[in-house]
Amino acid sequence: DGGITQSPKYLFRKEGQNVTLSCEQNLNHDAMYWYRQDPGQGLRLIYYSQIVNDFQKGDIAEGYSVSREKKESFPLTVTSAQKNPTAFYLCASSFSVKDEQYFGPGTRLTVT
Amino acid sequence: AQSVSQHNHHVILSEAASLELGCNYSYGGTVNLFWYVQYPGQHLQLLLKYFSGDPLVKGIKGFEAEFIKSKFSFNLRKPSVQWSDTAEYFCAVLGDSNYQLIWGAGTKLIIKP
Repeated sequence: DGGITQSPKYLFRKEGQNVTLSCEQNLNHDAMYWYRQDPGQGLRLIYYSQIVNDFQKGDIAEGYSVSREKKESFPLTVTSAQKNPTAFYLCASSFSVKDEQYFGPGTRLTVT
Repeated sequence: AQSVSQHNHHVILSEAASLELGCNYSYGGTVNLFWYVQYPGQHLQLLLKYFSGDPLVKGIKGFEAEFIKSKFSFNLRKPSVQWSDTAEYFCAVLGDSNYQLIWGAGTKLIIKP
């Protein structure tokens, strides 16, 4: 089946720890994205990547880091510098940045 | 800065009622427009999109949307809703300057059987 997988579905971490969220796609898409979804705020862009080995900051990149070493994979690290990390994180991909985006099931991160 | 406004955060309708969800955006250039839907427990998925051409676009499950450039609007409509349309609906706009999709806050639609 073609699609986007995110793992794990739920993640719990202690404050001060870095945590990496996985995102894999087998759609052969060039572009990949990370969003944060908070209640009543819609989706906010954290980072995006138009092509392998390239990525750009979105509106809320502070406290996050990414890598894009392979076309299929775009992991997101939530660092201890992120002031309010508890949220629902969505990964998406598209053929190009102009095209419709396809979404994964999301990872709900809780930091205590 | 670009922004997208969805006027209603919560909408409750009875089955067979007509639906219109508002979406307005602020951006003066060329735009691509999208409506996405998130059914309970499911992924966000595309409902319909507008890139160019006929401003009235049809999507899945009987939904349609009309792009009115002069009003900066892209309202979503369905003539007769069903209980299975209960979901959260998001409007999103892609401008031609930085190609970052800007999202509305979403509208939670509840259909009473």
